[in-house]
Amino acid sequence: AQKITQTQPGMFVQEKEAVTLDCTYDTSDPSYGLFWYKQPSSGEMIFLIYQGSYDQQNATEGRYSLNFQKARKSANLVISASQLGDSAMYFCAMREGPHDYKLSFGAGTTVTVRA
Amino acid sequence: KAGVTQTPRYLIKTRGQQVTLSCSPISGHRSVSWYQQTPGQGLQFLFEYFSETQRNKGNFPGRFSGRQFSNSRSEMNVSTLELGDSALYLCASTSRQGSEQFFGPGTRLTVL
Repeated sequence: AQKITQTQPGMFVQEKEAVTLDCTYDTSDPSYGLFWYKQPSSGEMIFLIYQGSYDQQNATEGRYSLNFQKARKSANLVISASQLGDSAMYFCAMREGPHDYKLSFGAGTTVTVRA
Repeated sequence: KAGVTQTPRYLIKTRGQQVTLSCSPISGHRSVSWYQQTPGQGLQFLFEYFSETQRNKGNFPGRFSGRQFSNSRSEMNVSTLELGDSALYLCASTSRQGSEQFFGPGTRLTVL
């Protein structure tokens, strides 16, 4: 079974608007972590944000916020005030267990920001 | 603070050859993980090293191996290259708490 599901293969967003990227996950481990990464066409994988399963608050990092709904096993990324430089592939990933650093990745969502 | 470095950035090899890729993690990070990224299979975990020990291994054939040195630098080796090994190989360095996993720029391997 897929551990991470990203159902949106591609999205278009207007500059300065907000965009939400969906991510659902599947795990039976009570301790896990969720990550979002940005991969521009250059190929580098840029770490954006992290949410731990025991974190009480939703994670935020600048224009990025993570809408964590534990009961629904959902960890959507919200990018506010989109910029042209946000055009990239975005990956949701999960590690399971407190000491296991292996990441399982989703298929990714391509975001294209229009001027 | 320097980021994760990977060398070389690009490699072209022929079938049957072997290749060694190198990764230097962020200073102070003792965990190094390797991933393979292809258009067909996406991002797949290869293995993770922590304090010179392989702690976790993905579902790859024995042709893929790795090691970690006492300074936390890691190498990955692929022997008897096949066309399907053409991919972007990414190395990641993880913080002690496991809450930050930073990737290097990757090594793009082409097998002809």
